[in-house]
Amino acid sequence: GNSVTQMEGPVTLSEEAFLTINCTYTATGYPSLFWYVQYPGEGLQLLLKATKADDKGSNKGFEATYRKETTSFHLEKGSVQVSDSAVYFCALSWRGGSYIPTFGRGTSLIVHP
Amino acid sequence: DAGITQSPRYKITETGRQVTLMCHQTWSHSYMFWYRQDLGHGLRLIYYSAAADITDKGEVPDGYVVSRSKTENFPLTLESATRSQTSVYFCASSAGQGTGNTIYFGEGSWLTVV
Repeated sequence: GNSVTQMEGPVTLSEEAFLTINCTYTATGYPSLFWYVQYPGEGLQLLLKATKADDKGSNKGFEATYRKETTSFHLEKGSVQVSDSAVYFCALSWRGGSYIPTFGRGTSLIVHP
Repeated sequence: DAGITQSPRYKITETGRQVTLMCHQTWSHSYMFWYRQDLGHGLRLIYYSAAADITDKGEVPDGYVVSRSKTENFPLTLESATRSQTSVYFCASSAGQGTGNTIYFGEGSWLTVV
């Protein structure tokens, strides 16, 4: 079946540092890939997505590229801010088949001033 | 745009009581989901629905009941609450069609069973 593996957290960085959160997946077919963000006390919200191989999703300075050859969708940001502190979830949804999403376990990011 | 709303946001109940968490979405999305979120377990799917009157079990359905008589509503009932059901519950919806298939989440319902 489908699965998503994320690096374990927490990831602790200083403000303006470079961020990478690794995500790899296993899926049959050609899924769409997502990053969701959860701020404290809130629900998950879509951060970015990519629907086919080599697509790059981007939003709020975050980027991720759909790499079919390495089955990866790593999240990056060049300069993090304190306000980026949150939990980040990688997810996939198999387009054309089941619409039940598969989520990773989430990675907590803590950014210090 | 109201989106997806959950109620109550916070609830404390006693062991053995029945509790219903409500979920309402205004987009006419076909798919709706209930997840629970616990430390160390991430998000776990309880039940989902592909359309009105169509529901199916997820990863952790025991102790929960759902119904979907209308497209916009998807209540989750704990028939006899147990302490292990203390959790944060998230309702979500998706169009289930087209490119990207984004899932939209509610704000969550914090449930404590004492």
